[in-house]
Amino acid sequence: SYELTQPPSVSVSLGQMARITCSGEALPKKYASWYQQRPGQFPILLIYKDTERPSGIPERFSGSSSGTIATLTISGAQAEDEADYYCLSADSSGLWVFGGGTKLTVL
Amino acid sequence: EVHLVESGGGLVQPGRSLTLSCEVSGFTFHDSAMHWVRQPPGKGLEWVSGISWNTSIVDYADSVKGRFTIARDNAKNSLFLQMHSLRSEDTALYYCVMYSTLYHVFDMWGQGTMVTVSS
Repeated sequence: SYELTQPPSVSVSLGQMARITCSGEALPKKYASWYQQRPGQFPILLIYKDTERPSGIPERFSGSSSGTIATLTISGAQAEDEADYYCLSADSSGLWVFGGGTKLTVL
Repeated sequence: EVHLVESGGGLVQPGRSLTLSCEVSGFTFHDSAMHWVRQPPGKGLEWVSGISWNTSIVDYADSVKGRFTIARDNAKNSLFLQMHSLRSEDTALYYCVMYSTLYHVFDMWGQGTMVTVSS
């Protein structure tokens, strides 16, 4: 079955840049989306169609994609950005798949 | 304001059945594809099933295919998930999720309903 691979954890110093990657064979042909999930809360959409940001999402969150890797970048990480982050995409059949999730720690 | 409210979760024995419901308000439910996503305790998200606005397209993750059935009642703004032959690995928080025609991805989420499969 199709898999999206994320690093289990990423650490970043307060105010610095954090990058979270998502690797998948179908990413050159399928869009990636990114979600933030704080403890005890439902996920929030941060990025869609690789690079687009929904209204209300801070500009420090951005997305990019190249080849088989999609990347979520947080420019100037804040304490409130400490959370779990998930990428989402579809396999070749159009079935949805989430990445395993990345726990972001802001030091 | 958009609201998605799941119900029907609980403790169930392995092999038994359970039906989840999701009542929706605040958007045009009958125009929206809907999905179920689950999250086992302390673990990541897993897409479970999806249904198009007119029920013509339904999809299931391999892990639940043949055991779960998704359905909707547009007249009642409701989404359902019938779960049969439940296993311990089905234990999770089940989210009802709206597919956004604007963003072409999952957008609005409910708070979830917990299903625990245990003897």
